[in-house]
Amino acid sequence: QKEVEQDPGPLSVPEGAIVSLNCTYSNSAFQYFMWYRQYSRKGPELLMYTYSSGNKEDGRFTAQVDKSSKYISLFIRDSQPSDSATYLCAMRKTSYDKVIFGPGTSLSVIP
Amino acid sequence: GAGVSQSPSNKVTEKGKDVELRCDPISGHTALYWYRQSLGQGLEFLIYFQGNSAPDKSGLPSDRFSAERTGGSVSTLTIQRTQQEDSAVYLCASRPMTDSGNTIYFGEGSWLTVV
Repeated sequence: QKEVEQDPGPLSVPEGAIVSLNCTYSNSAFQYFMWYRQYSRKGPELLMYTYSSGNKEDGRFTAQVDKSSKYISLFIRDSQPSDSATYLCAMRKTSYDKVIFGPGTSLSVIP
Repeated sequence: GAGVSQSPSNKVTEKGKDVELRCDPISGHTALYWYRQSLGQGLEFLIYFQGNSAPDKSGLPSDRFSAERTGGSVSTLTIQRTQQEDSAVYLCASRPMTDSGNTIYFGEGSWLTVV
C-alpha cells in the first residue's frame, strides 16, 4: 500500500462546477498537508497548506483535513478552464522532513 | 535568479551513458530536494539536502544514482550507466530555512529520455 493514495482521474467538469479532490494516507504521523497544482510541462506550485486537522479557505479554494479518518480534500468553487491541471496532495511529518506526494488527479474544466 | 533553475531542460542519452543534472536553488534556500516524476505518475522522492549534507537519501533507487551539493547552493544529480527505466522528469525544489512552513519551490524539471 502506498503511503498516499489519490484517484488519478481524469476528472472532467463543466465551467462553474464545484470540484472535490481527495487523498487518503496511511501514516498517522503526517501533520502538514499541502495541495500543489501542476500545469503541463511545469513544476508543481503550492496552492494550499494546512497544519493538522481543520479547514482553510483561500478565494475559490478550500482545503480540509480530517486526521481521524486520514483523509484530506480540496474543493474548488466556480471552477474555471484555467483550473485545468494536475492536482497533487502532499504531506510531511515534521517541518524539516521530506514531502511525500500523492500520484495526482488530472482535472479538465470544460468551457 | 528569481526561481529554481535546472539544466539541462531536456536530455536524450543512449542507454549505458552517464548523465549529470544540475539544480541551482533560490538564493539563501538551505533545503534542497530532488524528485522524479515518470509519465502519468506522482512525484517520487529521491534525496533531501540540508546545507551540504543529505540527512535523507532513502529514495535513491539504486547505486547508479548519486547526488551532491556544494557550497550550500548548487546540486548535481548523477545517473551512471543509464537505463530506459530512468526516463522521467527530474524535479528539484528548494525551501528557506526560516520557513518552518511548507512552501517548497520547484524548478521546471530536467526531462530525461534514455534511448
